[in-house]
Amino acid sequence: AQSVSQHNHHVILSEAASLELGCNYSYGGTVNLFWYVQYPGQHLQLLLKYFSGDPLVKGIKGFEAEFIKSKFSFNLRKPSVQWSDTAEYFCAVNEGGFQKLVFGTGTRLLVSP
Amino acid sequence: DAGITQSPRHKVTETGTPVTLRCHQTENHRYMYWYRQDPGHGLRLIHYSYGVKDTDKGEVSDGYSVSRSKTEDFLLTLESATSSQTSVYFCALRTESYGYTFGSGTRLTVV
Repeated sequence: AQSVSQHNHHVILSEAASLELGCNYSYGGTVNLFWYVQYPGQHLQLLLKYFSGDPLVKGIKGFEAEFIKSKFSFNLRKPSVQWSDTAEYFCAVNEGGFQKLVFGTGTRLLVSP
Repeated sequence: DAGITQSPRHKVTETGTPVTLRCHQTENHRYMYWYRQDPGHGLRLIHYSYGVKDTDKGEVSDGYSVSRSKTEDFLLTLESATSSQTSVYFCALRTESYGYTFGSGTRLTVV
């Protein structure tokens, strides 16, 4: 079965620090990749997604992610975090042709002012 | 977002009682999903639907059933609630652009 790994469970950064959150998946075929953010007490919101084309994907709020097929990775980055980025971040993968979205366990990011 | 609403938003129920959660959409999307969110587990798929009366199991389907008699409604039923089913439940739908939109969630507590 397909799986998604997020190795960083908790990350603490100061404002203006750079962020990189890891995401690895197990499926070797065609995949669609997503990053979602969940602010405290809220539902999931889409940050960015990759289906095909340029492996460097830009999303909302200054986030970007790079798809590296050879490493089965889709890491999320932001050059300079803000206090308002404090949230939980989820990587998710959808196998091409299938309809189920599989999530990683999430990374809690705390940005201190 | 994409006209998806969940009800109720919060519910406390007793062990052994049946509970039904409702997900309603206004945009006629074919695929709908029920996930549960628990600390340390992320979101796990319970059941999903790919059309009226067409449903399939996800990875944590035991103790749950679903029904979809109309395109707009996807119901999740806990036949006999247990404390292990205390969780936050999210409904989602897949849009034509292959995005997935999530509802606001239902916080269920089984005492």
